[in-house]
Amino acid sequence: DQQVKQNSPSLSVQEGRISILNCDYTNSMFDYFLWYKKYPAEGPTFLISISSIKDKNEDGRFTVFLNKSAKHLSLHIVPSQPGDSAVYFCAASAVNNNDMRFGAGTRLTVKP
Amino acid sequence: DAGVTQSPTHLIKTRGQQVTLRCSPKSGHDTVSWYQQALGQGPQFIFQYYEEEERQRGNFPDRFSGHQFPNYSSELNVNALLLGDSALYLCASSLGGSMNTEAFFGQGTRLTVV
Repeated sequence: DQQVKQNSPSLSVQEGRISILNCDYTNSMFDYFLWYKKYPAEGPTFLISISSIKDKNEDGRFTVFLNKSAKHLSLHIVPSQPGDSAVYFCAASAVNNNDMRFGAGTRLTVKP
Repeated sequence: DAGVTQSPTHLIKTRGQQVTLRCSPKSGHDTVSWYQQALGQGPQFIFQYYEEEERQRGNFPDRFSGHQFPNYSSELNVNALLLGDSALYLCASSLGGSMNTEAFFGQGTRLTVV
């Protein structure tokens, strides 16, 4: 069952512009959300997270927005850099449940 | 500070065989979770080990088993391999038996079943 969905398998953005990656979830018990970045031949690397008590979390060029009513979160990267080119995974978990669910990923390409 | 290390990096096995994958967590971490990532999909939770016990298990058959050692390292065993078990197996470590914190992933073991 796909409880976390990333409907865009790929996204291409020009360097310096904003990248917006989207993620939808179906399980209302999810209360913690994470974004991971994955380069080829490497494991996923934690990028940023947000708990359900917040609607925004910012870390440098990366901002995650959470819309609980729509069960939707997004990752904004501003400005985008070529080094941001990677696969981005959205993940979600519920309190006292260690079964973290991942989306299928979105491949971001930032063109110079 | 060593991150999460997994061995081997690649493995080819024949259908019906058994395989053991190994993971050493990041220094200071005591919790190890295993994931299976099939091609084109996100990682799927197999199980988590904390204090040498399996704390939680995802939707995987009993052919998948594991172990955690006193030094917090972990093994994933898969018996009676099927072609569909071909995937990237990821190990993630964290602290305190929770995944609701930043987890660090290893580079993965690419298993091919022929």
